[in-house]
Amino acid sequence: KQEVTQIPAALSVPEGENLVLNCSFTDSAIYNLQWFRQDPGKGLTSLLLIQSSQREQTSGRLNASLDKSSGRSTLYIAASQPGDSATYLCAVPSSGTYKYIFGTGTRLKVLA
Amino acid sequence: DTGVSQDPRHKITKRGQNVTFRCDPISEHNRLYWYRQTLGQGPEFLTYFQNEAQLEKSRLLSDRFSAERPKGSFSTLEIQRTEQGDSAMYLCASSFRAWHSDTGELFFGEGSRLTVL
Repeated sequence: KQEVTQIPAALSVPEGENLVLNCSFTDSAIYNLQWFRQDPGKGLTSLLLIQSSQREQTSGRLNASLDKSSGRSTLYIAASQPGDSATYLCAVPSSGTYKYIFGTGTRLKVLA
Repeated sequence: DTGVSQDPRHKITKRGQNVTFRCDPISEHNRLYWYRQTLGQGPEFLTYFQNEAQLEKSRLLSDRFSAERPKGSFSTLEIQRTEQGDSAMYLCASSFRAWHSDTGELFFGEGSRLTVL
């Protein structure tokens, strides 16, 4: 059974800092991993999708890496801004199915 | 706007009433998912469709819950005899699965927030 853990649960940093969010999963037989952002009371916005054949994916100030063998992914945010304040969630497919299992997220607050 | 659309955005109902949510996926997407999310938690899988076929249902989906996607386009999620524990955000997502690939980026709607009094 696929389980997803995100550490830390919450993070507060001053503006301009580079930061790393972690996602770990128990079943490494995944075909992709996706990172999302969620603002309070809103739906999820896709940030990055990493295919199993890729080791990393970049979009602007965001970089996500994937290490299937160790069951880990990291989301790196460069030069954080107050507008980055949100909850960040990762999701991986459950073993042998196409349903996605989510972590509980990291709640990020970037202070001006 | 060609994103995933959900209606209504907010629903307040009394315990015991039935409610129905609608999801319109991105037009070319053949997969459609329903998730439920409570405060401080990640989304929990409820069910998903490949075209009009419902391929998997979570054990969370009791007999009071039913979902349909009649023509492989929009989907409805109905909750009968609502209970206070049903209060949550109900999220719909869609993706496209090509015949040669298992992969497909998930796109979510803004959600339908249900409050059961």
